[in-house]
Amino acid sequence: QSALTQPASVSGSPGQSITISCTGTSSDVGSYNLVSWYQQYPGKAPKVMIYEVNKRPSGVPNRFSGSKSDNTASLTISGLQAEDEADYYCYSYVGSSTWVFGGGTKLTVL
Amino acid sequence: QVLLVQSGAELKKPGASVKVSCKASGYTFTGYAIHWVRQAPGQRLEWMAWISGGNGNTKNSQKFQGRVTITRDTSASTAYMELSSLSPEDTAVYYCARDGGSYYGSGSLLNYWGQGTLVTVSS
Repeated sequence: QSALTQPASVSGSPGQSITISCTGTSSDVGSYNLVSWYQQYPGKAPKVMIYEVNKRPSGVPNRFSGSKSDNTASLTISGLQAEDEADYYCYSYVGSSTWVFGGGTKLTVL
Repeated sequence: QVLLVQSGAELKKPGASVKVSCKASGYTFTGYAIHWVRQAPGQRLEWMAWISGGNGNTKNSQKFQGRVTITRDTSASTAYMELSSLSPEDTAVYYCARDGGSYYGSGSLLNYWGQGTLVTVSS
């Protein structure tokens, strides 16, 4: 199972909105509403920001939102803050009880 | 509170095996699955395998077929990941993570993570 496709990097200024895409296939992202998004700071364990496409765990700011259209999932961060600068990974169920991460996106807050 | 505490860093020679432990506390161990994820230096996260909470069934990524073994000791609330035939390409931080519970799609929610175990493979 190949990694899901994410842009290597995105950037935005404080207060702006950015969207990170995660493209799979009709066999994975397109078939299941089981996409999640993880934020990771250097040297730290990942933290879930969105699960099951658009659900937010308690404690995650509502500036973070998720969506999906066909084979592409998206993470949108509105009202960008300096603390949002991190790596972001999408993660999806791909069938047969297996899962796969995306290639990761480095978010830079300008 | 929920805690996952992993075993310490390991240095292994090529061809050897490594076994990483993940001790859980603060919840009913058999009520949640444990997933294993690794990250090579400067690289992406990579899902390896998981063990279910209820019956202990396991499943791994095809990439690690034949090399990874996931087990658990419910009496000790501990999960284990053993990786064999190590090569330098297996040098990575290995994480365990707990999923969201015993429902369809709970693996989407990896909401508690261990601190990571650095495994270095070098001759």
